[in-house]
Amino acid sequence: GAGVSQSPRYKVAKRGQDVALRCDPISGHVSLFWYQQALGQGPEFLTYFQNEAQLDKSGLPSDRFFAERPEGSVSTLKIQRTQQEDSAVYLCASSLDGRFATNEKLFFGSGTQLSVL
Amino acid sequence: AQKITQTQPGMFVQEKEAVTLDCTYDTSDPSYGLFWYKQPSSGEMIFLIYQGSYDQQNATEGRYSLNFQKARKSANLVISASQLGDSAMYFCAMRRTNTGNQFYFGTGTSLTVIP
Repeated sequence: GAGVSQSPRYKVAKRGQDVALRCDPISGHVSLFWYQQALGQGPEFLTYFQNEAQLDKSGLPSDRFFAERPEGSVSTLKIQRTQQEDSAVYLCASSLDGRFATNEKLFFGSGTQLSVL
Repeated sequence: AQKITQTQPGMFVQEKEAVTLDCTYDTSDPSYGLFWYKQPSSGEMIFLIYQGSYDQQNATEGRYSLNFQKARKSANLVISASQLGDSAMYFCAMRRTNTGNQFYFGTGTSLTVIP
């Protein structure tokens, strides 16, 4: 696709519900990242995929958070038993290759705004 | 530990004037990259400019330039000839090779351009 696409754009969940957030990266991009952005804050790293392999999940705040990218393209971030502190914007980003090059920039989607009531 | 520091929560600038957004960073790595992203109210993070730690010259991209002072560990963004469309949040970010593919973001600066 032309850019990184995320859906839904907005999600309202009752506390305790499970949610699934989708990310469709730019076609051909090897690396995919999930970030969490609380109101008034910068994005915080959650997890990183290189193709279908989840190479880093050190930023996931609890075992209620789970991410997958089974075919190396579309990714889903799942949050089980949502809590109010999960309310945030969840940003997905992709980059062209998986090398650890410092100049490799990220392309971001518009995010999913999750509100847990 | 805070790796990227943006000390200006909010800034105002008159249309057509220049503005500097501050960013300092903390790393002991010799190789790293510094980025600035713009986040308008739509939410998407838009890449503006990149500076590598070994680059000898300050990066420029159109109206954007980066004032890179390596010894001070600062990477300030300069926007010249501000336009109303420049009103947005601006984030400084750093990528370090020894942390794999993590980007570290600052807390951002909200820029408002006044007509």
